[in-house]
Amino acid sequence: SQQGEEDPQALSIQEGENATMNCSYKTSINNLQWYRQNSGRGLVHLILIRSNEREKHSGRLRVTLDTSKKSSSLLITASRAADTASYFCATANTGTASKLTFGTGTRLQVTL
Amino acid sequence: KAGVTQTPRYLIKTRGQQVTLSCSPISGHRSVSWYQQTPGQGLQFLFEYFSETQRNKGNFPGRFSGRQFSNSRSEMNVSTLELGDSALYLCASSPKSGNTEAFFGQGTRLTVV
Repeated sequence: SQQGEEDPQALSIQEGENATMNCSYKTSINNLQWYRQNSGRGLVHLILIRSNEREKHSGRLRVTLDTSKKSSSLLITASRAADTASYFCATANTGTASKLTFGTGTRLQVTL
Repeated sequence: KAGVTQTPRYLIKTRGQQVTLSCSPISGHRSVSWYQQTPGQGLQFLFEYFSETQRNKGNFPGRFSGRQFSNSRSEMNVSTLELGDSALYLCASSPKSGNTEAFFGQGTRLTVV
């Protein structure tokens, strides 16, 4: 079963705007990761944030983690049409860190 | 460095048959995990192999099995296929087991008719 819930389920924005996706999870984690998937193809790893970190940046991506609320957010700044994809958060739980538990995903559509 | 390679990319099987999917991890990666993705259940963990040993297993029936070879290549097998096994099967490799990013292949799209 999926641990995480993501919202919104779908997001449509125009190129140049920022996109924010949220993820909530249920159990203690070792780390939380964000992945992108284009049209039912393979997943591409975007960023990993450890449980003792609160914020992390990578290019146009900014991830925050609040372990007290068991939630994370992914911000994509200055979105491009090429960012159109589904985005998933995945948690590596303490004790079973090799097993990633994925959220339900957010489908992002960036229009010109 | 070559990415994760999954073969075949597409497969159509009949109910009751069995199927074997293959995954070649990134060179030097010793951990291989398998995931099933369906519209209804989303992405679900099947199992992980590290150094030819199963390290972790998800909540799937015994019809789903896997193995890993000494060169880290992995196969998963599904016996007595059911319509509900139709899914995208994704393989991921990592340099070590746990607490690290996973590199995914393009997946094998299995359709059971």
